[in-house]
Amino acid sequence: ETGVTQSPTHLIKTRGQQVTLRCSSQSGHNTVSWYQQALGQGPQFIFQYYREEENGRGNFPPRFSGLQFPNYSSELNVNALELDDSALYLCASSGQGNEKLFFGSGTQLSVL
Amino acid sequence: GENVEQHPSTLSVQEGDSAVIKCTYSDSASNYFPWYKQELGKRPQLIIDIRSNVGEKKDQRIAVTLNKTAKHFSLHITETQPEDSAVYFCAAMDTGRRALTFGSGTRLQVQP
Repeated sequence: ETGVTQSPTHLIKTRGQQVTLRCSSQSGHNTVSWYQQALGQGPQFIFQYYREEENGRGNFPPRFSGLQFPNYSSELNVNALELDDSALYLCASSGQGNEKLFFGSGTQLSVL
Repeated sequence: GENVEQHPSTLSVQEGDSAVIKCTYSDSASNYFPWYKQELGKRPQLIIDIRSNVGEKKDQRIAVTLNKTAKHFSLHITETQPEDSAVYFCAAMDTGRRALTFGSGTRLQVQP
């Protein structure tokens, strides 16, 4: 059974640019959630995808968007990057009807 | 929305002592409460969880208690070891929403 994998591990962008982060869910998991973890804080829920549709969203602006593909992998897209977007972005997957979330190692995004 | 408060923010114990971390939540609809351990630069790792129909759960040296009436839950680690040193996060979920709300974390340091 493979775990949740994310790419890239690190990324440096400048303000105003756009970024795409990728996540492969754990084998057998069909739900993917994205979280933002600022330095020294707990992760904050961005949104969740199930059956290729957004299935819940946290308090993040529309410039944060996502996709889920038929193989359950997912992308997080952030447009018009701001300095405050610098954070660790975590992907988590879960199985149908199971609330246990398993996290990937994250993508560390730095916006300069 | 849900709000989870966690304390203490830092905790230092001697090897072999017990450690207790406490959390409170605000949304009575929350019914699933996991705890995650995050070592520096690594993914949050699910260490134990409890559902609202259970008051206590134990797994070797780790136990979690839940008081639904008071809306608080606690993590207890006995016989602490240096490898227990990490940041611990509590979280709460309304399983209808499938989104976790995290506490701000507790940095546990076990002194050898």
